[in-house]
Amino acid sequence: SQTIHQWPATLVQPVGSPLSLECTVEGTSNPNLYWYRQAAGRGLQLLFYSVGIGQISSEVPQNLSASRPQDRQFILSSKKLLLSDSGFYLCAWEEGSETQYFGPGTRLLVL
Amino acid sequence: QKEVEQDPGPLSVPEGAIVSLNCTYSNSAFQYFMWYRQYSRKGPELLMYTYSSGNKEDGRFTAQVDKSSKYISLFIRDSQPSDSATYLCAIMTAAGNKLTFGGGTRVLVKP
Repeated sequence: SQTIHQWPATLVQPVGSPLSLECTVEGTSNPNLYWYRQAAGRGLQLLFYSVGIGQISSEVPQNLSASRPQDRQFILSSKKLLLSDSGFYLCAWEEGSETQYFGPGTRLLVL
Repeated sequence: QKEVEQDPGPLSVPEGAIVSLNCTYSNSAFQYFMWYRQYSRKGPELLMYTYSSGNKEDGRFTAQVDKSSKYISLFIRDSQPSDSATYLCAIMTAAGNKLTFGGGTRVLVKP
C-alpha cells in the first residue's frame, strides 16, 4: 500500500531564515505530487505540483520554491521566510489523475 | 465568485442525527467529486470519491452529485462524536492535476 511522509511535523522559524520541508511517497511509481498551504480556518491553496523528476509547476507567485530531485521526493523551500509564510503545509500524491491523498502535514510558525 | 462554495459552519448536531453537508460549484467542466475529512492539526483524509451524478453509499456516508444543478452533498447517518471534524469538498476537471477545494465546514457532534 502507498504511504506518504512529511517532516518535520512542526517547525518554528525566525523571519528571514531558510526553509526546507520534505515529502516522500512509498509504494507507487511516478506519482503526481502536490504542495498545498492551509491558513488557519481556511481551505487549501495549491502552491506547486510536479508530474515528474525536475518538472515543477507553480500555481501562485510567492516566496517559496519546490524541487523534485527523485521520483518519490518533493521538497518545498524558501531562502528567506516571511511572517505570511506561516501555515499548515500539506503534501499530496495523485492516483490515476482522479484522487489525491494527503500526508500528515507540517505546521510552520514564522516569528 | 469562488469556483467552489461551502458553508463554513460550524454545524452542531446531537449524536445519532443525520449530518447534511453541501457544496456548489460554477464550472461545468468539473467531473470528479471528492469529500475529505480533516481532524484538527491533521492532513485531510479521503472519505468519498465519485464521478457521476447520483448517489454513492459507503457505510454511514452517502455522497450525492447533481451535475445539472452543480451541487454536491455528503450525508452522515447515525452521527458519532468521532465524526466531529472539518469536511472539505474537492472537485477536479477531467484534465486532472488540480483539485479545487471548498473552504470546509466544521461539524460538531454532541454526545
